[in-house]
Amino acid sequence: DAKTTQPPSMDCAEGRAANLPCNHSTISGNEYVYWYRQIHSQGPQYIIHGLKNNETNEMASLIITEDRKSSTLILPHATLRDTAVYYCIVRTDRGNQGGKLIFGQGTELSVKP
Amino acid sequence: DTGVSQDPRHKITKRGQNVTFRCDPISEHNRLYWYRQTLGQGPEFLTYFQNEAQLEKSRLLSDRFSAERPKGSFSTLEIQRTEQGDSAMYLCASSLGVMGDTQYFGPGTRLTVL
Repeated sequence: DAKTTQPPSMDCAEGRAANLPCNHSTISGNEYVYWYRQIHSQGPQYIIHGLKNNETNEMASLIITEDRKSSTLILPHATLRDTAVYYCIVRTDRGNQGGKLIFGQGTELSVKP
Repeated sequence: DTGVSQDPRHKITKRGQNVTFRCDPISEHNRLYWYRQTLGQGPEFLTYFQNEAQLEKSRLLSDRFSAERPKGSFSTLEIQRTEQGDSAMYLCASSLGVMGDTQYFGPGTRLTVL
């Protein structure tokens, strides 16, 4: 089962920041938080991941709370093309366990004009 | 870096037929994963390879399913005696195979079993 909880849907106005929350209260010390998104009928697209520290790349920022029990993905200036299902995933990777991704239901983000 | 490619993109078959899908990972990626996604659900893990060795298989991977990665490069996923319940998007992903690495997904193969 997925180790994360996300709201099923969110709306965001175009040009505004989209803040997508994720709860992962049972995360272990060596588990990473990954975010992917999936636009209809396409393969999942990697966005960002982190272990303890906040991370930023050209797509988004990831804010992880100090106790690591929750995180927020921030899309700073949402566009209509950011409309997608966003998945927050806690990934275990211990040697031969291989780091498979366990997807939940995700958050369906709708960016509106 | 041309990304992960999958072939075919779409496959329609009749129940009882065998089908085979191919995945070409990003070059130099040691790990290759297969996932399945049904309508309205998130992708579900099927199996993964570290080079040519198949190291983990999900309970979803019934005896009718077989995956190979013979030379540690491309992989094939075969479904024998297809059933209507096999209709889904089959996704392939690859990664370097180190702690904290990133899996990059291909576009998927959409299978429809009539």
